[in-house]
Amino acid sequence: GAVVSQHPSRVICKSGTSVKIECRSLDFQATTMFWYRQFPKQSLMLMATSNEGSKATYEQGVEKDKFLINHASLTLSTLTVTSAHPEDSSFYICSAQSPGTRIDTQYFGPGTRLTVL
Amino acid sequence: AQSVAQPEDQVNVAEGNPLTVKCTYSVSGNPYLFWYVQYPNRGLQFLLKYITGDNLVKGSYGFEAEFNKSQTSFHLKKPSALVSDSALYFCAVRDGEGGGATNKLIFGTGTLLAVQP
Repeated sequence: GAVVSQHPSRVICKSGTSVKIECRSLDFQATTMFWYRQFPKQSLMLMATSNEGSKATYEQGVEKDKFLINHASLTLSTLTVTSAHPEDSSFYICSAQSPGTRIDTQYFGPGTRLTVL
Repeated sequence: AQSVAQPEDQVNVAEGNPLTVKCTYSVSGNPYLFWYVQYPNRGLQFLLKYITGDNLVKGSYGFEAEFNKSQTSFHLKKPSALVSDSALYFCAVRDGEGGGATNKLIFGTGTLLAVQP
């Protein structure tokens, strides 16, 4: 089956620093990737839709200058949390979708736990 | 706007007993419904989906869900619960309809299933 990886799985950083999270589709090409954020004991909230070779589409209320998304290839999307603050601490999950496939083929990564001190 | 509701924050069931995790939906047009499971500190795993066809959908790990149009429900069920089924379960619906549909998923708030030995 399709596999999506995320790196790192866990990161702790100081306030004010930037953190990059990678999302990779390991055995398929993904023209579209999604980035979600999950707070403890809460649901997943879609942050942005990342399309290969074009700018990401951000959901309302998500700061595009703070959460930089790059989808430079068909197998890699990155989320950079710039000037991170403690309130950015969360569980970030990506999903990837194969091109030309039906809507149910979103494959989720294992998530990245970000803790900002 | 599309939405799903999971009325129960937690469901407790004894091992070997049948389990039901409830989900109701609100959509304009045809609903595309999903169930995902999340284990602690992990990403989401796809369980099953309803797109069209039979109202009873069978999925992974012995789970099934019944699409009920009149009650706008899509409850997740399993005839005999296992301790290893203990996890967080999310119902989701595809956002939008027709030509304006996207592949974004709208998630419910999640239901924690606790199976006691």
